[in-house]
Amino acid sequence: AQKITQTQPGMFVQEKEAVTLDCTYDTSDPSYGLFWYKQPSSGEMIFLIYQGSYDQQNATEGRYSLNFQKARKSANLVISASQLGDSAMYFCAMRGGGGADGLTFGKGTHLIIQP
Amino acid sequence: KAGVTQTPRYLIKTRGQQVTLSCSPISGHRSVSWYQQTPGQGLQFLFEYFSETQRNKGNFPGRFSGRQFSNSRSEMNVSTLELGDSALYLCASSQGTISSYNEQFFGPGTRLTVL
Repeated sequence: AQKITQTQPGMFVQEKEAVTLDCTYDTSDPSYGLFWYKQPSSGEMIFLIYQGSYDQQNATEGRYSLNFQKARKSANLVISASQLGDSAMYFCAMRGGGGADGLTFGKGTHLIIQP
Repeated sequence: KAGVTQTPRYLIKTRGQQVTLSCSPISGHRSVSWYQQTPGQGLQFLFEYFSETQRNKGNFPGRFSGRQFSNSRSEMNVSTLELGDSALYLCASSQGTISSYNEQFFGPGTRLTVL
C-alpha cells in the first residue's frame, strides 16, 4: 500500500519569502511518480510539478522546485518568492504500480501568504 | 485546448436516489480518473478508465460505478445515495499510456449534496 504524509496542516508565510512544504511517502514499488497539486478555494486541482523515482535531478517548474531525497522518501515542494496568489491548499500525491495505480494523496497543507 | 469539463457543477439529491456525473477529458487524452474529496477522508481514488476499459478501482462499494465512451468521455454513477456520499467529485484526464506517470489534469469538480 502507498501512503503520503504531509505534516504541516497549515502555514503562514510573508509575501516574497521562500516556502517549503513537506511531503514524505511510503511505497514498496521500485518505480513511482510524485506530484504536487494546488487547490485554490475555487476547488479546481492545478498540477504544479512531477518527479519520477528514477530521475537523477530535482524537478523544477518556474518558481516551483521539488527537493527529492529518495533514501529518505521525501519530496518537498519549494516555492520561491511567494506571492499572494499562492495562498491555497497544496497536495502531494504519488502514483505507483508502473503508472497503473490511481493517485494517492496526502491530507494537504493550507498555505496562507500574508502581505 | 479546452480543459477538463464536468457537468453538472452542483447537484442536490436525497438519500436513496441515484446520480450520474459526466466528465469530458482534454482532447486527445485517453485516460479518465475519478476522485472523491471530503473534509474527513480527503482525496480518494475511485476508478480509472483507459480506452473504454476500467484499468483500476479504488476501495469503494459497488454502488459507485463508471464507464467510458469511445470518445473518451466518462460518466460515473452512484446508486442508493447515502448522506456520506456528499462530496466534491473530481475528474482528471491524462494522455495515460498503459504504463506511464503522465500528469493528470483535473476538472472543476461536481459538488454533490445528499439530503
